[in-house]
Amino acid sequence: DQQVKQNSPSLSVQEGRISILNCDYTNSMFDYFLWYKKYPAEGPTFLISISSIKDKNEDGRFTVFLNKSAKHLSLHIVPSQPGDSAVYFCAAQNSGGSNYKLTFGKGTLLTVNP
Amino acid sequence: DGGITQSPKYLFRKEGQNVTLSCEQNLNHDAMYWYRQDPGQGLRLIYYSQIVNDFQKGDIAEGYSVSREKKESFPLTVTSAQKNPTAFYLCASSFGTLAFPEAFFGQGTRLTVV
Repeated sequence: DQQVKQNSPSLSVQEGRISILNCDYTNSMFDYFLWYKKYPAEGPTFLISISSIKDKNEDGRFTVFLNKSAKHLSLHIVPSQPGDSAVYFCAAQNSGGSNYKLTFGKGTLLTVNP
Repeated sequence: DGGITQSPKYLFRKEGQNVTLSCEQNLNHDAMYWYRQDPGQGLRLIYYSQIVNDFQKGDIAEGYSVSREKKESFPLTVTSAQKNPTAFYLCASSFGTLAFPEAFFGQGTRLTVV
């Protein structure tokens, strides 16, 4: 069973507009969420994270929103740039589980068109 | 330069042969992880280790083995029992603490079995 779901395999936006990437989770024990960005044939790079005690975390152009009751989080990129084109993975963690392993979604390919 | 080094970047092996993928980190991280990426599958956890001389199976451990003799090293052996070994393999590490739960990834090894 897939505990972290990214239901949109791909998303295409125009440069300068907002990109919104969505992620849903089913495990109520997850309390820490991360977004990773990945280029082809490279390892993922950590982008931004949010703890379940918050509903928003912002870092420059990137903002992550968490809706615990809906078990839903989203990553907003404003303004989108062509260099943002990559696969974005949502990941979740049960920090009380003492192993800090990450459970990943299948990723969303973001394409930002000039 | 602190980081995680995976070697080699590309690896070719004949079917039926065991192969070992290297992962070294100098970030002083306690926890290390191995993930596998297949097209459309996201990242799936193979094995993880929280401390030296201890490791646990992840979601898809069959056909793989690991060791953790040193804090800096977490090699992964893909055995002949692994039915579909061709994939992109990613190693990650983290402090494995509530204060610093983020995992950081190496650049990956593309294994092709022919």
